[in-house]
Amino acid sequence: DQQVKQNSPSLSVQEGRISILNCDYTNSMFDYFLWYKKYPAEGPTFLISISSIKDKNEDGRFTVFLNKSAKHLSLHIVPSQPGDSAVYFCAAALSGTYKYIFGTGTRLKVLA
Amino acid sequence: NAGVTQTPKFQVLKTGQSMTLQCAQDMNHEYMSWYRQDPGMGLRLIHYSVGAGITDQGEVPNGYNVSRSTTEDFPLRLLSAAPSQTSVYFCASSQQGGSGQPQHFGDGTRLSIL
Repeated sequence: DQQVKQNSPSLSVQEGRISILNCDYTNSMFDYFLWYKKYPAEGPTFLISISSIKDKNEDGRFTVFLNKSAKHLSLHIVPSQPGDSAVYFCAAALSGTYKYIFGTGTRLKVLA
Repeated sequence: NAGVTQTPKFQVLKTGQSMTLQCAQDMNHEYMSWYRQDPGMGLRLIHYSVGAGITDQGEVPNGYNVSRSTTEDFPLRLLSAAPSQTSVYFCASSQQGGSGQPQHFGDGTRLSIL
């Protein structure tokens, strides 16, 4: 029972264009959503997060959108750069449970 | 700034052997956790701790033991390794758990069980 799903295993985008990574979830009680980036042979690093009381959060080139009615969030990267090539994981958390549920990841390749 | 340090980086074990994966953080974080990453499965939570002396199970705890005697260290023990435990293991920490705080991850331990 995958509570957090990333249905696109991979995505290729031209440098300078927008990258859109998607994530769907099933538990409407999740309070927080986070995105992590992972390079090979390294641990995931935190990118951006959003609380369920918001529908958008922006940090530089990265914006996360949350659609609670659709149980869907997306990460937009504008403009995409070759250094953004990595695996991106979305994660969801429920206050008080101390557990984070991760999606399966999307491998982004930004083509120069 | 060491952050979260995991040792060893690589290990090969034979079925039935025991091993301890080490994890240490120098950020005085209360919350620490262990994940395993398998192809097509993402990161799955094995065990977590909300402070010294307090541990609890995650999604996939079977075959693993943990303890938290200090704030800094959170070792993961495999008592009798099985091929199904071949995976990459990540340790993570955050100031607190349960409030959506971002976690800091170590660089992982790649474990192969023959």
